[in-house]
Amino acid sequence: GNSVTQMEGPVTLSEEAFLTINCTYTATGYPSLFWYVQYPGEGLQLLLKATKADDKGSNKGFEATYRKETTSFHLEKGSVQVSDSAVYFCALTGANSKLTFGKGITLSVRP
Amino acid sequence: NAGVTQTPKFQVLKTGQSMTLQCAQDMNHEYMSWYRQDPGMGLRLIHYSVGAGITDQGEVPNGYNVSRSTTEDFPLRLLSAAPSQTSVYFCASSLIGTGAMAFFGQGTRLTVV
Repeated sequence: GNSVTQMEGPVTLSEEAFLTINCTYTATGYPSLFWYVQYPGEGLQLLLKATKADDKGSNKGFEATYRKETTSFHLEKGSVQVSDSAVYFCALTGANSKLTFGKGITLSVRP
Repeated sequence: NAGVTQTPKFQVLKTGQSMTLQCAQDMNHEYMSWYRQDPGMGLRLIHYSVGAGITDQGEVPNGYNVSRSTTEDFPLRLLSAAPSQTSVYFCASSLIGTGAMAFFGQGTRLTVV
């Protein structure tokens, strides 16, 4: 079956630091890949997505590239802000629309 | 536009009680699903539906029932609550298709004592 593996957390960074959150996946066929973000006390919301190999998703300064050869979809941001503090989930869907999530990672950004 | 609406936001149950978590969406999405979120476990799929009258089990269905009588509503029923069902529950909806983004409700924090 499909699976998503995220790096262990939590992650604590200072404001303006560079962020990388690793995500790898196992899936049959050609999945779509997503990053969802959960701010404190809220539901999940889509941060970015990529639907085919070599696509780059981007939003709010975050980027991730769909790498089929390494089955990865790492999330990056060049300069994090305190407002980026949240839980980040990597996820994928196959042809059946079912979302498979990684375990999530908590990011805390210090002023 | 409301998106996905979940009620209640908080609930405390005694062991053995039953209850229904409500979920409604106004985006005419065919696909709806329920997840539970537990520390260190990410989100795990409980049940899902690809349209009115069609439901199926996810990863952790035991102790939960669902029905889908309309496109808009997808309630989750706890038949006899157990402490192991203490969790945060999220409902989500989307169009059907591998690249479709999911919209999530705000969540229901359930405590079973």
